[in-house]
Amino acid sequence: GAGVSQSPSNKVTEKGKDVELRCDPISGHTALYWYRQSLGQGLEFLIYFQGNSAPDKSGLPSDRFSAERTGGSVSTLTIQRTQQEDSAVYLCASSLLPGGGYTFGSGTRLTVV
Amino acid sequence: SQQGEEDPQALSIQEGENATMNCSYKTSINNLQWYRQNSGRGLVHLILIRSNEREKHSGRLRVTLDTSKKSSSLLITASRAADTASYFCATAPQGGSEKLVFGKGTKLTVNP
Repeated sequence: GAGVSQSPSNKVTEKGKDVELRCDPISGHTALYWYRQSLGQGLEFLIYFQGNSAPDKSGLPSDRFSAERTGGSVSTLTIQRTQQEDSAVYLCASSLLPGGGYTFGSGTRLTVV
Repeated sequence: SQQGEEDPQALSIQEGENATMNCSYKTSINNLQWYRQNSGRGLVHLILIRSNEREKHSGRLRVTLDTSKKSSSLLITASRAADTASYFCATAPQGGSEKLVFGKGTKLTVNP
């Protein structure tokens, strides 16, 4: 597609429920990244996929968080047993080359009540 | 962990004035990038400067990089109300880490 697409744009969920966030990167971009941003804060790295290599999961805050990237394209970030501190905007980005300029999606605003 | 630290945290200027934002970082880098964020959603890539470059221009934007001081500045000339946004620097650390590390941003307000 023309840009990075994320869905849903907003998600309200009850504490303890699981959520899935989707990212559709720019076609041909081999690198895909997930970040999250709490209100008024900078971006916190979560996970990075590059081609067929094993993902860099070093930023995932707990084992409740997982992500996969199917067929080198669409990625899903799953948060199990959501907690209120998981409330944030989850941003996905892709880049043609690792370390190059990112194209970001518009994010998913997750609110855990 | 945060690599880049932007300064100031907030900046308010009048339309037509220049805006300067600074970024300091801690480790050696391959490149440094600046992004703009409107309304707390997706970021837009503005400019990338490589570690062997000292200055780069793009339209009304001028970026400098001083690797000896581990710092960069973003200058927006002749600012417009539409430049109101948060601006983030991001570093691509040297040594194999390919993910960008972002600072906390500078919130710029341009008053008409």
